[in-house]
Amino acid sequence: DGGITQSPKYLFRKEGQNVTLSCEQNLNHDAMYWYRQDPGQGLRLIYYSQIVNDFQKGDIAEGYSVSREKKESFPLTVTSAQKNPTAFYLCASSTQTGGRRNYGYTFGSGTRLTVV
Amino acid sequence: EDQVTQSPEALRLQEGESSSLNCSYTVSGLRGLFWYRQDPGKGPEFLFTLYSAGEEKEKERLKATLTKKESFLHITAPKPEDSATYLCAVQATGDSWGKLQFGAGTQVVVTP
Repeated sequence: DGGITQSPKYLFRKEGQNVTLSCEQNLNHDAMYWYRQDPGQGLRLIYYSQIVNDFQKGDIAEGYSVSREKKESFPLTVTSAQKNPTAFYLCASSTQTGGRRNYGYTFGSGTRLTVV
Repeated sequence: EDQVTQSPEALRLQEGESSSLNCSYTVSGLRGLFWYRQDPGKGPEFLFTLYSAGEEKEKERLKATLTKKESFLHITAPKPEDSATYLCAVQATGDSWGKLQFGAGTQVVVTP
């Protein structure tokens, strides 16, 4: 079955450590997105990408980095510069590109990151 | 600035007690409005897309409607399995990247 796979489901980070969250999709979608979800807040956009080797900062990109070397993969690195990384991270993909209508996101199951 | 506001923040219903959730939006132009359902600890699941005022869509006990400034998600005779957080999101016409902007969600609890 086609879908988006995020791993790991739970991740613990020590102070000063970089960690990488994996996101893989087999839907042949061009666009991929990373969102952060905190209790009582809406999903906030971290980074997004429409094509391989190209990505754009979202609203809260500071302390995060991404790469898009393959169409199927869009990993997110949470660096030590991110001072409050504890949150639920969601990866999504969609078929819409450019200025055309978005037919909606398909989401992964999320990664819960906790600082210890 | 584009904004999406959902109300109420939380809703507690008895089984069979119908109600509505509200999603108000402010965008320069609306390309699409989306409703998602999210269970605890899981990713959101797509429910509906609405593209123009007056449009309605239904799925089982859920019905979504759209006006020029807001959308409603009606839950008719809810069951405990309808308990979830319901998210609303919009895509603005001024955005060429396909990004969705989300509201904070309405947490719905349906008790037997």
